[in-house]
Amino acid sequence: GAVVSQHPSRVICKSGTSVKIECRSLDFQATTMFWYRQFPKKSLMLMATSNEGSKATYEQGVEKDKFLINHASLTLSTLTVTSAHPEDSSFYICSASGGARENYEQYFGPGTRLTVT
Amino acid sequence: GESVGLHLPTLSVQEGDNSIINCAYSNSASDYFIWYKQESGKGPQFIIDIRSNMDKRQGQRVTVLLNKTVKHLSLQIAATQPGDSAVYFCAETNDQAGTALIFGKGTTLSVSS
Repeated sequence: GAVVSQHPSRVICKSGTSVKIECRSLDFQATTMFWYRQFPKKSLMLMATSNEGSKATYEQGVEKDKFLINHASLTLSTLTVTSAHPEDSSFYICSASGGARENYEQYFGPGTRLTVT
Repeated sequence: GESVGLHLPTLSVQEGDNSIINCAYSNSASDYFIWYKQESGKGPQFIIDIRSNMDKRQGQRVTVLLNKTVKHLSLQIAATQPGDSAVYFCAETNDQAGTALIFGKGTTLSVSS
């Protein structure tokens, strides 16, 4: 199947700093990428949908100025957590679609563990 | 909010038993359903999917059943193995390009030897 990578796999940052997470589709062109957030022992919650070359569509309750999403190419989307706080500590997962035969198929990255101290 | 939920948060079985994990969904417009397995610290791993024009689909050791009348989805794992221990999520979507998945709450499957 298609491969999606995320970098870094885990990151620790200090409160007030910003951190960028990359999501790459390695062997296909991802017209759409999705960003999810997952708290411990909880399900994945969609944060935003990102189409290449367009502004991301954020879910209700997700601050677009805090979670900056850029999808500048068909293989790369970035999520920047700005002015991070301890409550932003979470597992962030991206998925990508667009390279499959079926519209709805999505491929997930391995996730990024963010810890804000 | 979530429109897909799971009935049981945890399920413990013995190695070799069959496991059944259930899921209820509420969006009648959803026409594609997927089961994912997630191990600790990793992203979701695709297990099996089913479209709304089917009521059963089988894979290797896994079977998904879809009951559209009561909006119920289940995952059956035959001869459960310790390596099957993980959190299992159902997800729903529709066959539109760029449509996100909506995930259920997850069931933790624990398999003891």
